[in-house]
Amino acid sequence: ETGVTQTPRHLVMGMTNKKSLKCEQHLGHNAMYWYKQSAKKPLELMFVYNFKEQTENNSVPSRFSPECPNSSHLFLHLHTLQPEDSALYLCASSQGVEVGETQYFGPGTRLLVL
Amino acid sequence: RKEVEQDPGPFNVPEGATVAFNCTYSNSASQSFFWYRQDCRKEPKLLMSVYSSGNEDGRFTAQLNRASQYISLLIRDSKLSDSATYLCVVNERNFNKFYFGSGTKLNVKP
Repeated sequence: ETGVTQTPRHLVMGMTNKKSLKCEQHLGHNAMYWYKQSAKKPLELMFVYNFKEQTENNSVPSRFSPECPNSSHLFLHLHTLQPEDSALYLCASSQGVEVGETQYFGPGTRLLVL
Repeated sequence: RKEVEQDPGPFNVPEGATVAFNCTYSNSASQSFFWYRQDCRKEPKLLMSVYSSGNEDGRFTAQLNRASQYISLLIRDSKLSDSATYLCVVNERNFNKFYFGSGTKLNVKP
């Protein structure tokens, strides 16, 4: 299944590094999301984009910076992260942001911050 | 208070057993409900939506109880391949914002 792809799949970075996560959806959807999944915790919504416009920022620290150049691509730029930011970062997309629209997830990027 | 609460399990059941999970949600205005399945180290995948009248998809049955604010998932004739974590998802009114439970882990044993 290649509806939503994410790269890299695994990433190890130091606290002073700058890196970017990439997400691409091939489903013709208009909405894209970033989620964080930490061990033993539920998925947490980070950002929502609808038609390239950010519609939700769930009080995410500024060391995470999203970018959505078009409806098919979503980036998450990372800088000066902390070890507690180590988690699985999942991208999802849906046709729109109406209530009840199914969200389709990418395989995630497993991030380790040293 | 958590938006969505689930028993983390694990539920250890033999093949062929029937198993049921419940999930409670705190926002009475929630409008849409889903069960997602997540395999170890994989992404969540939609298992089924949950409709007010209840719905069935093969061996899986989902029910919604708005009065008590819970949803349930019943799995009949469990297969080894059903072993996974089952995530309860609740959608806020007016916006496609998902609230996830922490998940219930199911282990189906031979």
